[in-house]
Amino acid sequence: DGGITQSPKYLFRKEGQNVTLSCEQNLNHDAMYWYRQDPGQGLRLIYYSQIVNDFQKGDIAEGYSVSREKKESFPLTVTSAQKNPTAFYLCASSMGRPPSTDTQYFGPGTRLTVL
Amino acid sequence: GIQVEQSPPDLILQEGANSTLRCNFSDSVNNLQWFHQNPWGQLINLFYIPSGTKQNGRLSATTVATERYSLLYISSSQTTDSGVYFCLTDSWGKFQFGAGTQVVVTP
Repeated sequence: DGGITQSPKYLFRKEGQNVTLSCEQNLNHDAMYWYRQDPGQGLRLIYYSQIVNDFQKGDIAEGYSVSREKKESFPLTVTSAQKNPTAFYLCASSMGRPPSTDTQYFGPGTRLTVL
Repeated sequence: GIQVEQSPPDLILQEGANSTLRCNFSDSVNNLQWFHQNPWGQLINLFYIPSGTKQNGRLSATTVATERYSLLYISSSQTTDSGVYFCLTDSWGKFQFGAGTQVVVTP
């Protein structure tokens, strides 16, 4: 099946710990994105990547880091520097590269709770 | 940056009713998408519509880029249409979601 997978579905972490969220796609898409959603709000862009070994900061990149070593994978690390990490994290991918982007397709998301 | 406003914020419909959701944006965009977020959080693509009109079953969308708005029409609503509807604008690599319209369709 083609699509975007995110793991784990639920994640709990203690304050002060770093945690890495996985995002994999087998759609052969060039661009990948990470968004954060807080309850009752829209999504905000954390990082996006147009191509392997390249990524750009979004609106709320502070406290997060990413890597893009393979076209299929775009993991997000939530560091201890992120003040309010509890949120729903969504990964997306698209065929085109910004600024000429195509439809974004989303994974099922990871719900992160900091205890 | 670009401002995206969706209206209304909440909508309660009786099954079978029609409705219109609106997405206004403050600057020119090269792309616009509509999504439906189901109760489990999954975002489902509805339309990729930088301009013009598209239809898919009971749903249709129109974007008037020169006037900076897009409309999503739901006809003959069903309970499965419940959820949150978002628009996403792309202003040449600057992505901005609206805050969404929460739709509840009652039997």
